[in-house]
Amino acid sequence: AQSVAQPEDQVNVAEGNPLTVKCTYSVSGNPYLFWYVQYPNRGLQFLLKYITGDNLVKGSYGFEAEFNKSQTSFHLKKPSALVSDSALYFCAVRALTGANNLFFGTGTRLTVIP
Amino acid sequence: NAGVTQTPKFRVLKTGQSMTLLCAQDMNHEYMYWYRQDPGMGLRLIHYSVGEGTTAKGEVPDGYNVSRLKKQNFLLGLESAAPSQTSVYFCASSYWPSTDTQYFGPGTRLTVL
Repeated sequence: AQSVAQPEDQVNVAEGNPLTVKCTYSVSGNPYLFWYVQYPNRGLQFLLKYITGDNLVKGSYGFEAEFNKSQTSFHLKKPSALVSDSALYFCAVRALTGANNLFFGTGTRLTVIP
Repeated sequence: NAGVTQTPKFRVLKTGQSMTLLCAQDMNHEYMYWYRQDPGMGLRLIHYSVGEGTTAKGEVPDGYNVSRLKKQNFLLGLESAAPSQTSVYFCASSYWPSTDTQYFGPGTRLTVL
């Protein structure tokens, strides 16, 4: 079975400061990991994914994520937060079945304070 | 290119009523999915389809049925709505071979009284 956990329901950060949104995973085999973002009253939008290769993955809107196999983590990061980054962030792992559907974490609400 | 659209955006039902949610995509994607989103639980897969005429169960299929008669449409039906089905429903689609990158619709907020 595969799953992801997001240990923080809420993260607050001041505008201009670096941000981190945490995610840990549990997968048998090589993980396919994702980050999605949800803005108010909108569907989820793809940010980035890790399949293989470089442990630092760069995505949309200046976000990046670091894959750490020994710590089974895939934390989302950004060097300088913007107020417009305030949203709900979901970590996800791909299913190992033919559907290729995603198993999502419970989400972390990021608030960037001006 | 509208992407993934969902109809309706909001709906209130009484217990026992039925309804159908429509998802349409204009990207010629093979795979389509229905998720529900509940507070503190993330998104959970209800049903999915890997192509026209095919459907399969996801994590939480009970109380729902689906149909994929046309490649661009994926319908989610509730035959007898229950308060436990109050949720926000998201449709998503993806294309082969990048089936893990999914494109989501804006969601349907359903309340069952």
